[in-house]
Amino acid sequence: TQLLEQSPQFLSIQEGENLTVYCNSSSVFSSLQWYRQEPGEGPVLLVTVVTGGEVKKLKRLTFQFGDARKDSSLHITAAQPGDTGLYLCAGTLTSGSARQLTFGSGTQLTVLP
Amino acid sequence: DTAVSQTPKYLVTQMGNDKSIKCEQNLGHDTMYWYKQDSKKFLKIMFSYNNKELIINETVPNRFSPKSPDKAHLNLHINSLELGDSAVYFCASSQSQGARSPLHFGNGTRLTVT
Repeated sequence: TQLLEQSPQFLSIQEGENLTVYCNSSSVFSSLQWYRQEPGEGPVLLVTVVTGGEVKKLKRLTFQFGDARKDSSLHITAAQPGDTGLYLCAGTLTSGSARQLTFGSGTQLTVLP
Repeated sequence: DTAVSQTPKYLVTQMGNDKSIKCEQNLGHDTMYWYKQDSKKFLKIMFSYNNKELIINETVPNRFSPKSPDKAHLNLHINSLELGDSAVYFCASSQSQGARSPLHFGNGTRLTVT
């Protein structure tokens, strides 16, 4: 069982559609990050959220951290082919003394032109 | 200029061999990491290291060892390679070990053990 579960695992949509990706856990996180990974490359940070209920926007992407800091969502408006990639959430637990970033299971998004 | 670079990009080798993957970062970061990404794209931390402390994920076999000649480099040595070691290995760095400090990843090394 993974600490961070993402859904859906795969998502294929047409250009212009909206979508939401979820990142859920039963544990509380001090902060949560979203990354996007393209084929042959490493993950690239999109956003960090640290406060329960926090909403951050990055152009057409809207990120929300759950009130209890156990979950997060990523909403994309009017998706474009350039949004295609593997979306990963990653969190740091409130417990523990050392920095341990735990990654979610990933959502592979394909936006068709 | 590439911020975090790792070589080689691809590595194909036979079981039982010993191999190394090199990583360099030019960001001036204090902490470096090695991650393993399996065939299902799941990223799992193997090591985190700064000039003071090495933290090892307890699930990593002792055939894997990080070696840091200086603050800008963290190489990964693997002894007696096994089929299950096939994966993509990512090096990363961050300015500090703080939870909000973002990771900067290299482009990965795809290791195939035959």
